[in-house]
Amino acid sequence: GQQLNQSPQSMFIQEGEDVSMNCTSSSIFNTWLWYKQDPGEGPVLLIALYKAGELTSNGRLTAQFGTTRKDSFLNISASIPSDVGIYFCAGQATSGTYKYIFGTGTRLKVLA
Amino acid sequence: EPEVTQTPSHQVTQMGQEVILRCVPISNHLYFYWYRQILGQKVEFLVSFYNNEISEKSEIFDDQFSVERPDGSNFTLKIRSTKLEDSAMYFCASLRQGLATEAFFGQGTRLTVV
Repeated sequence: GQQLNQSPQSMFIQEGEDVSMNCTSSSIFNTWLWYKQDPGEGPVLLIALYKAGELTSNGRLTAQFGTTRKDSFLNISASIPSDVGIYFCAGQATSGTYKYIFGTGTRLKVLA
Repeated sequence: EPEVTQTPSHQVTQMGQEVILRCVPISNHLYFYWYRQILGQKVEFLVSFYNNEISEKSEIFDDQFSVERPDGSNFTLKIRSTKLEDSAMYFCASLRQGLATEAFFGQGTRLTVV
């Protein structure tokens, strides 16, 4: 089946540092999304990407959709303590149900 | 801002009991989903629902699971006879239209089977 692998699995960083995380897929997706999940909460959409090569920003967040449509990265600049959480990438199925396939997640911990 | 709401936020049930998890999707959305997240793991697709019928289900969604949209507003997930391994967060999501639109997720229901 389709799988999305994220790296790193977890990371500790100092407040103010920049963060970069990746997501790779065994399949092509036409829509790629990045979500953040706080403990005990549902995933919250950060950035959606629709075109191969697309680079999109949302405040301190920047994400790019790989040209092959099988990978993406998410960067967070000048991290702050509230950036703590789990970041999931997700690819949207291109036909039928438009379901999301979620990645394995990157757990981010920010040290003040 | 419209949101997906789920009730209850936490449900504790005894093994073998039936549970119904409830969701109110965003009103003009057309596609509805249930996802599951076992503690510490990734979010997994369970089932999708469109045009008043199941459009796809995963291998997790066996005969013990069912979904309904009884009144055009609520969207429910029923587990007939719960097992310990059904303990997880269950998320409802809705999508306004098909490709290239974003799904909105509810806050989740934490199901604990004891």
